[in-house]
Amino acid sequence: QITFKESGPTLVEPTQTLTLTCTFSGFSLSTSGVAVGWIRQPPGKALEWLALIYWDDDKRYSPSLRNRLTITKDTSKDQVVLTMTNMDPVDTATYFCAHMYGGTSYFGYWGQGTLVTVSS
Amino acid sequence: QSALTQPASVSGSPGQSITISCTGTSSDVGGYNYVSWYQQHPGKAPKLMIYDVTHRPSGVSNRFSGSKSGNTASLTISGLQAEDEADYYCSSYTSNSTPWVFGGGTKLTVL
Repeated sequence: QITFKESGPTLVEPTQTLTLTCTFSGFSLSTSGVAVGWIRQPPGKALEWLALIYWDDDKRYSPSLRNRLTITKDTSKDQVVLTMTNMDPVDTATYFCAHMYGGTSYFGYWGQGTLVTVSS
Repeated sequence: QSALTQPASVSGSPGQSITISCTGTSSDVGGYNYVSWYQQHPGKAPKLMIYDVTHRPSGVSNRFSGSKSGNTASLTISGLQAEDEADYYCSSYTSNSTPWVFGGGTKLTVL
């Protein structure tokens, strides 16, 4: 059974850096073909894909946020970490992590999400 | 503005069928059979309902079906049930700079 749990601060101030951790179970990110991604959803708005990291450490970023995002993995801890710099109130959203098999284009398993509010 | 266009809302009565459209371009929906659909109830995580245009994951009701014609994909829900009331999002692989894009979402109301 694949499960995810996102964790991190619920409130960050503008210009600060956000660090979110995705802790998962039921699979290994060292297994060929596996990937974990981050998707966010502002309140009342649509989903937006942010970043993805593959089992071989290949990484993909949303072009519009590329210069602010960093995704890393720690296979020994079964964790994926997303950092986003220079946070702005428009970055207020629920942040989800999710599982994707390499070579596919769908997220089959999702975490419950964590709401991050950007405010001073 | 989302890369894929969905109607903001659709509605139907219990037992009826509804279809939600998802319109993209030849760089995404029309160019690849990598369209997926997600159901999201309020306050919950999205749930995969359809992948690769027409495939249903194990455990998803066969009342849900997907199709594609040209640059438009569709999700059809037959035999509407109250529990189907949710937001639905389409997604596609794209050859544009962003590998994956989502639609703006459609709110389904079961009357």
